Amino acid sequence: SQTIHQWPATLVQPVGSPLSLECTVEGTSNPNLYWYRQAAGRGLQLLFYSVGIGQISSEVPQNLSASRPQDRQFILSSKKLLLSDSGFYLCAWRLGLAGKSYNEQFFGPGTRLTVL
Amino acid sequence: GENVEQHPSTLSVQEGDSAVIKCTYSDSASNYFPWYKQELGKRPQLIIDIRSNVGEKKDQRIAVTLNKTAKHFSLHITETQPEDSAVYFCAATRLNQAGTALIFGKGTTLSVSS
Repeated sequence: SQTIHQWPATLVQPVGSPLSLECTVEGTSNPNLYWYRQAAGRGLQLLFYSVGIGQISSEVPQNLSASRPQDRQFILSSKKLLLSDSGFYLCAWRLGLAGKSYNEQFFGPGTRLTVL
Repeated sequence: GENVEQHPSTLSVQEGDSAVIKCTYSDSASNYFPWYKQELGKRPQLIIDIRSNVGEKKDQRIAVTLNKTAKHFSLHITETQPEDSAVYFCAATRLNQAGTALIFGKGTTLSVSS
């Protein structure tokens, strides 16, 4: 069966510090991978997604970046955190079957980031 | 690009009543519409989904209806229970050259009081 991991689970960082959040998926190959952010009491904002190694699509211009160095690894980074970067970061995956967009999407357990 | 609007933002019902949450989408190419339930501090979990070639789908107390012409879909929960209290999100697929992504509504906080 497939499993998705995220770490760390919680993180408190000062403004201006760098960030690296990691997501890995087990039990599947060539998944589509996604990063979402959920600000306190808000909806799920799509940040980045990837359909393959080295392929990254960015949704919103901001001080975050994403990378996919391996098939089942997705990393979210920042060089300098802002207060507004605080939130609940969720990684998600779904089967990357060409032509099939109606596959279930599974979320990871999330990383709660607080920027002080 | 795809835009998903969700209403209401909050919904309070008595135990045993029905709850209805409505969403609209903008991209006529969208073909998959899932609903997720998120309990406090946890990850969203899929509760039901519907494809564009189906008008209605039911799973015990929950059902989803889709009107492709009007570009709206709804979640119906009957005989609500306190454990149904959570935030519910609708979503629609967005397809482009970069791939497929789910775009979510802003969520509905459902409170069921006993």
